[in-house]
Amino acid sequence: DAKTTQPNSMESNEEEPVHLPCNHSTISGTDYIHWYRQLPSQGPEYVIHGLTSNVNNRMASLAIAEDRKSSTLILHRATLRDAAVYYCILSRGTDKLIFGTGTRLQVFP
Amino acid sequence: GAGVSQSPRYKVAKRGQDVALRCDPISGHVSLFWYQQALGQGPEFLTYFQNEAQLDKSGLPSDRFFAERPEGSVSTLKIQRTQQEDSAVYLCASSLRGWGQVNQPQHFGDGTRLSIL
Repeated sequence: DAKTTQPNSMESNEEEPVHLPCNHSTISGTDYIHWYRQLPSQGPEYVIHGLTSNVNNRMASLAIAEDRKSSTLILHRATLRDAAVYYCILSRGTDKLIFGTGTRLQVFP
Repeated sequence: GAGVSQSPRYKVAKRGQDVALRCDPISGHVSLFWYQQALGQGPEFLTYFQNEAQLDKSGLPSDRFFAERPEGSVSTLKIQRTQQEDSAVYLCASSLRGWGQVNQPQHFGDGTRLSIL
């Protein structure tokens, strides 16, 4: 399975945009890019996924580089509830998810 | 609507005891997954069911770990002769994914925190 690299931690102030980067230089053509997040004492929660084009949903936006070797999860206005560990995961449509250690996002009021 | 439900929420057992962890997936979800999450780490895949068929058990750490989903809905993860290194949060997830469907999101329960003394 292709690996992803994320910063260990990031900080943001409330109501500011947050850009969470992910590098995946060994991505293959059939790999989808998934993002999940995990709030304290909860199971992971699906955020967004994409293949080549940028994607938007009610939670976030996913910007994918043209060469697909990196992507960025964008939270447009961070809230305190967005404080969580964010995982960037590559999936080839096989069922299991391979989690790394993710990025711990802290949001300050 | 109801999400994935796991029980018990917390389980404490003595080393050597057997434990059983239950997962109620979202109704109608074909796929069911078990993951193990050690403190400070991301979840690690254990096993996967499509309906009642266990299609992948490559992540089960030893033959002390056994999972079943006999009627294609509720699943049980059983750990025999527990050891201290089994202490972790055990997460269950389900998805709509069936044959030919790709990249359906997985919906996770809040897990069972297992502590082995």
